[in-house]
Amino acid sequence: AQTVTQSQPEMSVQEAETVTLSCTYDTSESDYYLFWYKQPPSRQMILVIRQEAYKQQNATENRFSVNFQKAAKSFSLKISDSQLGDAAMYFCAWDNYGQNFVFGPGTRLSVLP
Amino acid sequence: GAGVSQSPRYKVAKRGQDVALRCDPISGHVSLFWYQQALGQGPEFLTYFQNEAQLDKSGLPSDRFFAERPEGSVSTLKIQRTQQEDSAVYLCASSSVAGEEETQYFGPGTRLLVL
Repeated sequence: AQTVTQSQPEMSVQEAETVTLSCTYDTSESDYYLFWYKQPPSRQMILVIRQEAYKQQNATENRFSVNFQKAAKSFSLKISDSQLGDAAMYFCAWDNYGQNFVFGPGTRLSVLP
Repeated sequence: GAGVSQSPRYKVAKRGQDVALRCDPISGHVSLFWYQQALGQGPEFLTYFQNEAQLDKSGLPSDRFFAERPEGSVSTLKIQRTQQEDSAVYLCASSSVAGEEETQYFGPGTRLLVL
């Protein structure tokens, strides 16, 4: 069975600084997708960024970028120029073409003014 | 177009009561997922539909949980004889199975509290 691990239950970052959230996963599949979702307090989950496993180039979305290391099964999220609105729970997720979506336990990110 | 909607947003039930949670996916989305999210944890998969077919229900925790999507759009998750351990947020997500697009779009969730 696929598993997703996020080893940092909580992280904090100073406003305008950079923070990296860790995610590792375990799978025997070769083709899959990886996602980072953000869940603000009492609000719905929204997609931050996604990566196709067959693409070597790391995905980037404005201030958000990933470091995808397929051999190491690692998928970290870097948030640059952190803003107060970035404070939320961040979930790393693995998906096998819509058949088996698996989420990690989440990392709570606090942004300090 | 509108996003995924869920109703009710909050539900309080007495132990033993039956509840029904509704999900309206994004129009045209083929795939629909239900998740259970306990407080402070990540969502856990319950069941998956492709159109009206329930392709995977391996995550349903017991036979008290039942989901349907009879016309391939709106879905209902029913929990019979609710127990306190059923208290959680129930999330619905939909995605369009169209080539490479596998992103799931989530609804706001239904927060269920069983007393």
